[in-house]
Parts: sequence; structure tokens; C-alpha cells
Amino acid sequence: GAGVSQSPRYKVTKRGQDVALRCDPISGHVSLYWYRQALGQGPEFLTYFNYEAQQDKSGLPNDRFSAERPEGSISTLTIQRTEQRDSAMYRCASSLEGTGGPVWNEQFFGPGTRLTVL
Amino acid sequence: AQKVTQAQTEISVVEKEDVTLDCVYETRDTTYYLFWYKQPPSGELVFLIRRNSFDEQNEISGRYSWNFQKSTSSFNFTITASQVVDSAVYFCALSEASGATNKLIFGTGTLLAVQP
Repeated sequence: GAGVSQSPRYKVTKRGQDVALRCDPISGHVSLYWYRQALGQGPEFLTYFNYEAQQDKSGLPNDRFSAERPEGSISTLTIQRTEQRDSAMYRCASSLEGTGGPVWNEQFFGPGTRLTVL
Repeated sequence: AQKVTQAQTEISVVEKEDVTLDCVYETRDTTYYLFWYKQPPSGELVFLIRRNSFDEQNEISGRYSWNFQKSTSSFNFTITASQVVDSAVYFCALSEASGATNKLIFGTGTLLAVQP
């Protein structure tokens, strides 16, 4: 079956512009995660959705970043008034369920969107 | 606080050498999961292994082996007889079971370069 897809794969924008990054999770996956990976760093958690509910946004760096998943499937990460420091790989992952507990539900990562802010 | 430390930024070996990548983690949870991911030059994240905190048995998969030691909070990864195709960035990660999200906390990665 299809894996997690993200679009666009590459995005170059000018400082101050808004960008919207899309994630299409695996069909039937309840949980969806956004991570950001700066050059030379590991991925960092941004936000988490359970169905359409954004249950954790503790990793969003500031109020220029927002995310939504209105129908519990496709998610959009929006960055307003982009800055050069926003340049990074933005990765989406989905899993069957994401709640804590003794059973791990594997996160499947998408290919990422490489964002470059000039 | 949860944290993953990969002290080795870069390692360079010659093909066929054995190499160990170190990972030290911090967590207050008694139930947690540890992971290794590989990121080849193409950029995707490739899942290698997951261990839970109650299973300290070491694991071997082909040329790969993992040594989990709770006493030292370490989860080290060894590649035996390294090959050029092993060249990649390797990430260790942690997830706490008590959290409501199962989010992954990654280390900063170790760049492994295997020279022919």
C-alpha cells in the first residue's frame, strides 16, 4: 500500500512569505506527527494529532507555526512570515494509534519537505 | 527530562572494520522504547530496530547488533565488517510510554563514513 506522502518535496521561498506543507498519512492511521530536522541535527518533534484533534503542540517554536488536520486525514503545517532560520527538512509521520502505553505503534515517516528560506 | 546523547559526531572507518555507535539516554519513565534509524545520503529515515525497556536481551541481525544496558542507560549499535553502503547518519531515539503521544526524541546523529 501507499506510504506517507508529503508535498511539495522541495520548497524555496523568500523571507516573509507564508508556506503550507502537506502531509498525506497512511490510510486508516489515527495519529499524525510533524517533526523538523535542521541540517546536522536529529528530527525534533513539532506537533501531534489524534484524528483531527491537535493534542500536543508543545514543539511548535513560535506562533508563526500552526498545523491542522480538519478531517482527521491530510494535515497541513503552515509557517507564516518565514525566516531564514526556518530552513529545514519537515517530516511527517503517521501511526495506527499514538497513545502512550505498553504497546508501541510504529511511526512511518514520509520523505520530507526540504524548505529553504532565502 | 528525556534526552538522547550521541557523543560521536563523525566516525570514519575502512571497509571490513567493526564500528560501534554510542547512544546514552535519560528518562524518568520505567517504560520506554529505544530506536535506531538510518538516514542515507538520499535523506529518508529508515527504521532499524526498536527495543522496550523491559527487554535487555542483546539483538543481532546479520551484521548489525545492539547492546542495551539499563545500568548505564546506553543502547549501542555495532556494525560488523562494515561496508561502503553502511555510510549514513545514524540516529538513536527514545519514546516514553507515559506520554500521551509516543513522540520520538532523537539524538543529534552520528555520521558514519566507510571508506573502500
